[in-house]
Amino acid sequence: AIQMTQSPSSLSASVGDRVTITCRASQDIRNDLAWYQQKPGRAPNLLIYSKSTLQSGVPSRFSGGGSGTDFTLTISGLQPEDLATYYCLQEFTFPHTFGQGTKLEI
Amino acid sequence: VQLVESGGGLVQPGRSLRLSCVTSGFTFMNYDMHWVRQAPGKGLEWLSFILPDGSDLDYADSVKGRFTISRDNFRKTLYLEIRDLRVEDTAVYYCTRDHYGGPPFDYWGQGTLVIVSS
Repeated sequence: AIQMTQSPSSLSASVGDRVTITCRASQDIRNDLAWYQQKPGRAPNLLIYSKSTLQSGVPSRFSGGGSGTDFTLTISGLQPEDLATYYCLQEFTFPHTFGQGTKLEI
Repeated sequence: VQLVESGGGLVQPGRSLRLSCVTSGFTFMNYDMHWVRQAPGKGLEWLSFILPDGSDLDYADSVKGRFTISRDNFRKTLYLEIRDLRVEDTAVYYCTRDHYGGPPFDYWGQGTLVIVSS
């Protein structure tokens, strides 16, 4: 199975900051990488798919990049409501695998 | 679009359970369907998927042989049967959808909590 290594595991930042979360795949997954935001007690919410395509309704301060094995999620201009845990997902092959998550504290 | 899981609860180790995910608001038979779980305080774990016509499915290695995914396109319902429940199966179980070429897991259910304990 493809391993997804996400870093950092936790991150503290201030409102207005630019933050970047990284996800590294154990093998090439082309652009089949998605990012999810999960707030406490809630189901995950899709932010970005196909590495960099912003899901409908997601604020433009979220962006995705990278390719092959290394991917990033960037939040430009952090807002208080961005307090959450963020996960990457590889959907290149089965079994699909999530990263371990990054807990973002504001 | 709605996905509503049910069937969770407190169960003893070794028992079996069937989770259901009733869907509405979209053409169920056009979507791959998946199960994902989250143990308390832990991350997301992908479990299983099934094609729209049920002709292909797959499982995470950690659950292969004990979990069975199935679907009823007439009832627009997804199922997950779990056998020989273990303490480590304690988690919130989510169903979610995927359409080939479209955004993956764009809608999720609210989850159903399974607690395995004697």
